[in-house]
Amino acid sequence: KAGVTQTPRYLIKTRGQQVTLSCSPISGHRSVSWYQQTPGQGLQFLFEYFSETQRNKGNFPGRFSGRQFSNSRSEMNVSTLELGDSALYLCASSLVGEGGNTIYFGEGSWLTVV
Amino acid sequence: DAKTTQPTSMDCAEGRAANLPCNHSTISGNEYVYWYRQIHSQGPQYIIHGLKNNETNEMASLIITEDRKSSTLILPHATLRDTAVYYCIVRVGNQGGKLIFGQGTELSVKP
Repeated sequence: KAGVTQTPRYLIKTRGQQVTLSCSPISGHRSVSWYQQTPGQGLQFLFEYFSETQRNKGNFPGRFSGRQFSNSRSEMNVSTLELGDSALYLCASSLVGEGGNTIYFGEGSWLTVV
Repeated sequence: DAKTTQPTSMDCAEGRAANLPCNHSTISGNEYVYWYRQIHSQGPQYIIHGLKNNETNEMASLIITEDRKSSTLILPHATLRDTAVYYCIVRVGNQGGKLIFGQGTELSVKP
């Protein structure tokens, strides 16, 4: 069974640009969450989507957005990139996102903003 | 904020059991304890989770105290490949797919 797949794995963008990251969850999983990991702040929750609706949101500015498609695949977008957005962006999926449903992570997308 | 407290770092000799403690004194009755590990620059890897009872799988064992205020992750025969940051997470019941990560424990397995 394929795991959580994220694309692209590595990318470099310039300040002011925007970026879109893609995530394909494990087959059958309907909950998709996104996380940002930086050396200074650690792993932080961005948002969660379930059945194409945002169900939870972390404490990030509106430049960070996401969406989920009917096949549960998800994308996140960061607009007007800043140097501080350089990070590892992780996608995670679970069946329905309830307490006993295990959350599985992908390998992440490394974003460097220059 | 994370609802767990873990030691910042631990060492373990290769081949010995690694016992990683976690305190979660404010855990509620319907909240699960999850353990993940992250090897440098990779995505977090699920290890094990539990609610009240002790759990064991092919990777590890999870021992939860009777009052549920603390737990211990046991890697029975640590190898060099078990060197990683280990995260203990209390998963809040009504927060869906949201996990709140703390700083974790950096485990170094030494030959």
